[in-house]
Amino acid sequence: QKEVEQDPGPLSVPEGAIVSLNCTYSNSAFQYFMWYRQYSRKGPELLMYTYSSGNKEDGRFTAQVDKSSKYISLFIRDSQPSDSATYLCAMTYASGGSYIPTFGRGTSLIVHP
Amino acid sequence: DGGITQSPKYLFRKEGQNVTLSCEQNLNHDAMYWYRQDPGQGLRLIYYSQIVNDFQKGDIAEGYSVSREKKESFPLTVTSAQKNPTAFYLCASSIRGGRAEAFFGQGTRLTVV
Repeated sequence: QKEVEQDPGPLSVPEGAIVSLNCTYSNSAFQYFMWYRQYSRKGPELLMYTYSSGNKEDGRFTAQVDKSSKYISLFIRDSQPSDSATYLCAMTYASGGSYIPTFGRGTSLIVHP
Repeated sequence: DGGITQSPKYLFRKEGQNVTLSCEQNLNHDAMYWYRQDPGQGLRLIYYSQIVNDFQKGDIAEGYSVSREKKESFPLTVTSAQKNPTAFYLCASSIRGGRAEAFFGQGTRLTVV
């Protein structure tokens, strides 16, 4: 079992839909949680960063962390075709002073007009 | 503009040849990472470095080597011992400790010909 599980999709939604992307993890030591967006043949771009359980909102994006269930989510409101990309979750914990990001496989999102 | 620069964007390697991928950052980050990305497999850690003149193997270090002689630079050499080097290679950096979100370069696509 991988430390971080993420459904690769693809997830296809109509423009304007609310999108829910999720990851589960097995290591309870993970403390910091991130969501990245990656367009084809580009480097991942950091979207959201959270530390504690609860919600964090930034524009159309909301990141949610439930440490008790080892489950994180990214919600995208009013989705646009430009949101079509692969979304990667990542998480880190302190190990001997190092914080090494561990990534999920990524979920491919397609928003069609 | 602060950021991470990877070069070249595309690289072709002949069988039995060593090639070096460049990664330079001007974010004043201590930590740097190399990841490999294959279709459907997410990001896998090759090597990481927390400080100059020190680096550690990641999950898939065999067939790769790195150096960290300067804070700004973390080149990756793909040696002839790497049997399946065709992949998308991503370099990232972060501050050490605490808030540890990683920022990525635009990647190098390596193809064996």
